[in-house]
Amino acid sequence: GENVEQHPSTLSVQEGDSAVIKCTYSDSASNYFPWYKQELGKRPQLIIDIRSNVGEKKDQRIAVTLNKTAKHFSLHITETQPEDSAVYFCAASSVWGNQFYFGTGTSLTVIP
Amino acid sequence: DAGVTQSPTHLIKTRGQQVTLRCSPKSGHDTVSWYQQALGQGPQFIFQYYEEEERQRGNFPDRFSGHQFPNYSSELNVNALLLGDSALYLCASSSTGGRNTEAFFGQGTRLTVV
Repeated sequence: GENVEQHPSTLSVQEGDSAVIKCTYSDSASNYFPWYKQELGKRPQLIIDIRSNVGEKKDQRIAVTLNKTAKHFSLHITETQPEDSAVYFCAASSVWGNQFYFGTGTSLTVIP
Repeated sequence: DAGVTQSPTHLIKTRGQQVTLRCSPKSGHDTVSWYQQALGQGPQFIFQYYEEEERQRGNFPDRFSGHQFPNYSSELNVNALLLGDSALYLCASSSTGGRNTEAFFGQGTRLTVV
């Protein structure tokens, strides 16, 4: 089955700096890659996603890049704010549907 | 639109007991997936229901079973509870069989097995 690895496990940045989280996957058939943000005690919420026919996608301060050849994708957050502090999960989806394989999460702390 | 709702929010059970967790999908969604999230870990896929059938299953024992009703709501049943079953159980709903579409998560049920 699919194996998703995520790095780093913890990340601290100064407010206003950029944060980058990287994930790799093993199954070349995976073609949908969402990123979820989970605040303490709350549900995971989709922040951005990318499909395999696209190399990059941006939404305001958030961007995701995908390298299908290397089987890795990354989340980029620019101009970080304290409210960006949370745990971020990457995931890869099987060809069939939303059987998501999640990474182990990155705890992001933005220091004011 | 209430989004995805799960009940109960918290539950304490004794080892060996059985538990049933419930999920109502987001309006317009027909596919429900269940995940187990241990503390400090990413969610692990348990199984997915579409058209009242289990369509996909992760690496979980048969003690974990489920059901989907005609109104698309779903139940997760766990028999013979073990201490290691303590986790946050998340339900996610999506549409059209879940083919690479956005999944919306419920707030989860926190199960503690003592």
